[in-house]
Amino acid sequence: AQSVSQHNHHVILSEAASLELGCNYSYGGTVNLFWYVQYPGQHLQLLLKYFSGDPLVKGIKGFEAEFIKSKFSFNLRKPSVQWSDTAEYFCAVSPYNNAGNMLTFGGGTRLMVKP
Amino acid sequence: EAGVAQSPRYKIIEKRQSVAFWCNPISGHATLYWYQQILGQGPKLLIQFQNNGVVDDSQLPKDRFSAERLKGVDSTLKIQPAKLEDSAVYLCASRRRLGETQYFGPGTRLLVL
Repeated sequence: AQSVSQHNHHVILSEAASLELGCNYSYGGTVNLFWYVQYPGQHLQLLLKYFSGDPLVKGIKGFEAEFIKSKFSFNLRKPSVQWSDTAEYFCAVSPYNNAGNMLTFGGGTRLMVKP
Repeated sequence: EAGVAQSPRYKIIEKRQSVAFWCNPISGHATLYWYQQILGQGPKLLIQFQNNGVVDDSQLPKDRFSAERLKGVDSTLKIQPAKLEDSAVYLCASRRRLGETQYFGPGTRLLVL
């Protein structure tokens, strides 16, 4: 069975600071990788996903993530955060042949951006 | 298009009582999921339906949890009897087809006293 680990439970940044949220997964085969975001009072929504191809994927709102297969990692980055990025971020993985089925989520990272 | 709808949004019950949650997925979405999200944790898949059939319910505590999707559209998740550790947010998600994004509803926040 797969598992996902997000190292930082809480992150506090000032506006314009750079962001990197760590995500490591454990699974014996090929995976699909996702980052979801939950803004205060809103639903979980997809930020970006990796299925195959270029390991550097770009998502909405200036976010990107890099899949490093040798490190089993899929870290989320943003060069300059805004107050509106305050949210909880979840990394998730699914087996490659499931293409989004059976998502296994990490525990989440709560990001607070100070204006 | 309308999103995934869930009701109720909040529910408080006492342990050993029963509770039911309802989900209406996005129109045309064949796959429906129920997740449990305990405070401080990520969502955990409970059950997945494809139309009105169960694809995976390996993580559903079947001694107390049940779910159905009779006509391949709406779904209900029931807990009977509830335990304190069932306090969580229950999320419903749907997806049109394999490879596409899962869309999540607002969740039902359950508190068991």
